[in-house]
Amino acid sequence: QVQLVQSGAEVKKPGSSMKVSCKASGGTFSSYAISWVRQAPGQGLEWMGGIIPIFGTANYAQKFQGRVTITTDESTSTAYMELSSLRSEDTAVYYCALPLRGSFFDYWGQGTLVTVSS
Amino acid sequence: SYVLTQPPSVSVAPGQTARITCGGNNIGSKSVHWYQQKPGQAPVLVVYDDSDRPSGIPERFSGSNSGNTATLTISRVEAGDEADYYCQVWDSSSDHQGVFGTGTKVTVL
Repeated sequence: QVQLVQSGAEVKKPGSSMKVSCKASGGTFSSYAISWVRQAPGQGLEWMGGIIPIFGTANYAQKFQGRVTITTDESTSTAYMELSSLRSEDTAVYYCALPLRGSFFDYWGQGTLVTVSS
Repeated sequence: SYVLTQPPSVSVAPGQTARITCGGNNIGSKSVHWYQQKPGQAPVLVVYDDSDRPSGIPERFSGSNSGNTATLTISRVEAGDEADYYCQVWDSSSDHQGVFGTGTKVTVL
């Protein structure tokens, strides 16, 4: 059974960067295509980007191009999402999500709340 | 970019049927996935590839997809079905972007 465990809540200053981790267990990490999804308070789900197997590299939502970087460390079965130039609108719960058995997200991390505030 | 539109809210009495629509341009040509999210929890997959159910999801949850509208149907609604529901597709026409619908709050009366 695959499990995704994310890093803890953070408070960040405007203009700084954040880096959230997502550690996977219970499977072969090299075959994972982790995506990151965020949810601002009271708002809907928003796909930020992910590792796309057909490309073999990370692909990002146009909205976040230039500000987000998704990386993986196979030695520790961990994925990372870094978002730079933070502003208050980036306050959200950030989820890692895994499309293990198809193009759908069948596994999710527990979420990481990041608060951007001066 | 590709847009998925859902009604903000749907209200239904216990035991009745809730239908949640997800509108998108020619969405019938895409695979649609549906997620349930309860307050303070991560989303849970309830329907994938238009109409398939993951193990553990009740048969009361079903899906369809044709033309410009995909639909999630919840039959014999229970109080525990009260949640937000999101549809999701991949937009391969624009560099393979993930797209979520706007979300629908299902209220059980």
